Amino acid sequence: GDSVTQMEGPVTLSEEAFLTINCTYTATGYPSLFWYVQYPGEGLQLLLKATKADDKGSNKGFEATYRKETTSFHLEKGSVQVSDSAVYFCALGAYYGNNRLAFGKGNQVVVIP
Amino acid sequence: SAVISQKPSRDICQRGTSLTIQCQVDSQVTMMFWYRQQPGQSLTLIATANQGSEATYESGFVIDKFPISRPNLTFSTLTVSNMSPEDSSIYLCSVAGQGMGVEAFFGQGTRLTVV
Repeated sequence: GDSVTQMEGPVTLSEEAFLTINCTYTATGYPSLFWYVQYPGEGLQLLLKATKADDKGSNKGFEATYRKETTSFHLEKGSVQVSDSAVYFCALGAYYGNNRLAFGKGNQVVVIP
Repeated sequence: SAVISQKPSRDICQRGTSLTIQCQVDSQVTMMFWYRQQPGQSLTLIATANQGSEATYESGFVIDKFPISRPNLTFSTLTVSNMSPEDSSIYLCSVAGQGMGVEAFFGQGTRLTVV
């Protein structure tokens, strides 16, 4: 079935550092791909999305490109801030469009001043 | 997009009791979903709440334990029945569907602790 794999473990980095969180997926057809963010004590917020191959989603300085050839959707930000500390989830939306999502395990990102 | 309100935001409950979580949306939505997020874990879909019919449960979740109501297109409830400490989780309501794009939107979640 459809699944999402995120890199293992929390990510700790200094302010203004470059952030990459890897996400790969397995799916039939051409799913939509998402990154959601969960700030401490809150629900999930959509960070960015891409609906077809080679699309680049971007928001708040974050970017991710839908790579069909490598089945990946890696999240990047060039210069992180302390306020970016959160848990980041990669998610896949079913091709057949019933809007059910398959989530990766999530990555805790801690940005140190 | 949609604005989703979940109640309660958190609760501490005694084992063996039940808790009903409410999800209210500010517009009519086709699809409503309930997810569970166990401590330090990802989200697991419990069920899809269908308006006017029985909810559709995922493998490992049953109606007797997690009864769901969906009386109209803006409201749903999830009950966690006969709770045990293993039910301590965040429960999230999510909506999606026509006119909302391909993504799903989430409520703030209900943080449940069973003691």
